[in-house]
Amino acid sequence: DAKTTQPTSMDCAEGRAANLPCNHSTISGNEYVYWYRQIHSQGPQYIIHGLKNNETNEMASLIITEDRKSSTLILPHATLRDTAVYYCIVRVANGNTGKLIFGQGTTLQVKP
Amino acid sequence: DGGITQSPKYLFRKEGQNVTLSCEQNLNHDAMYWYRQDPGQGLRLIYYSQIVNDFQKGDIAEGYSVSREKKESFPLTVTSAQKNPTAFYLCASSIGLGLNEQFFGPGTRLTVL
Repeated sequence: DAKTTQPTSMDCAEGRAANLPCNHSTISGNEYVYWYRQIHSQGPQYIIHGLKNNETNEMASLIITEDRKSSTLILPHATLRDTAVYYCIVRVANGNTGKLIFGQGTTLQVKP
Repeated sequence: DGGITQSPKYLFRKEGQNVTLSCEQNLNHDAMYWYRQDPGQGLRLIYYSQIVNDFQKGDIAEGYSVSREKKESFPLTVTSAQKNPTAFYLCASSIGLGLNEQFFGPGTRLTVL
């Protein structure tokens, strides 16, 4: 599975959009980009995933660059409850145990 | 409500004792996983199970054992052979292996004194 690089921490004002970047320059054609988040001392929570098209759900939007070497998770209206560590993960489609390889992630602090 | 439960939330044990962590799911998922998380680190896979009566070692299986006698249950035993057992343990399940979304339990924080 390809390695990802994320900023260690970010701040965001409550009510504003939070844009969390992720670099995955070695991503292969059959690897998907997944985002999970982990609120302190809780289990991780799935947010969204995509292959090459932009994706949106009730939680967030995922923008993947055309060359697929980077992506951005967008929380459109951040709230204090969105304060968490956000993990960007790439996963291969076939022959996969399903394990999630979490890096250091980005600690997002939403401030009032 | 469907979901995954882990018990207890906090667990304390003396060094040299085996301890079993519970994980139950009512999502009718075939696949289940155990991860370990150390402070400030990501998750590492201990064991996983694709189906009842089948399980496989993950990346850090030494000192751990599991069973999968029922679809909804996947208990993890931390044995005395595990050199550094103090950690946050997370159980997850998914419809199957591969790219399926994994649902996580609330975790058990194990402290070995």
